[in-house]
Amino acid sequence: DTEVTQTPKHLVMGMTNKKSLKCEQHMGHRAMYWYKQKAKKPPELMFVYSYEKLSINESVPSRFSPECPNSSLLNLHLHALQPEDSALYLCASSQVDMGFHNSPLHFGNGTRLTVT
Amino acid sequence: GENVEQHPSTLSVQEGDSAVIKCTYSDSASNYFPWYKQELGKRPQLIIDIRSNVGEKKDQRIAVTLNKTAKHFSLHITETQPEDSAVYFCAASSRAGKSTFGDGTTLTVKP
Repeated sequence: DTEVTQTPKHLVMGMTNKKSLKCEQHMGHRAMYWYKQKAKKPPELMFVYSYEKLSINESVPSRFSPECPNSSLLNLHLHALQPEDSALYLCASSQVDMGFHNSPLHFGNGTRLTVT
Repeated sequence: GENVEQHPSTLSVQEGDSAVIKCTYSDSASNYFPWYKQELGKRPQLIIDIRSNVGEKKDQRIAVTLNKTAKHFSLHITETQPEDSAVYFCAASSRAGKSTFGDGTTLTVKP
């Protein structure tokens, strides 16, 4: 079983739609991440939340809006996406030890997003 | 920012042979180096990791070595099996939580 749960598994949306991706973990991890992965490419970091605060934004376009309502939940709100945003969106979590992120990432199974 | 280079991009071995994948990183502040295995259509999963205060770590058939001076680290898989076939990613992580991945190595183990 996956310890990080992502919904939905698949999402097809038009360029004018608004949708949200959801991620949940119950491992007590205090860091949560959004990654984007294109086919045959490595995961690409988008956002990092540490203790529910946004700590890293990798210059992601504003059409992607992250939200961390509590220590177990992470959302990614999508609006006015482009076809090139089609990808696998992976959520991950990790422990934070004395403020340092030196622990493995636990990935969810991802949301396969297609923008038409 | 951090730059991680990974070689080779593809690797084909016979079952029972060893496989070695190498990565170099650029940021001397990186201090955590995990390796992830991603099977087709699945999520990346950690297989082994090493921290900057350690030079080598082994877990059964898998080992990782780290040379901080040269800024490179390697994954060694011995006695390969067909189920080892997957894409392997190295990563270098900073204390702030920023993980930079290598481009991946597609390992094929032929029975």
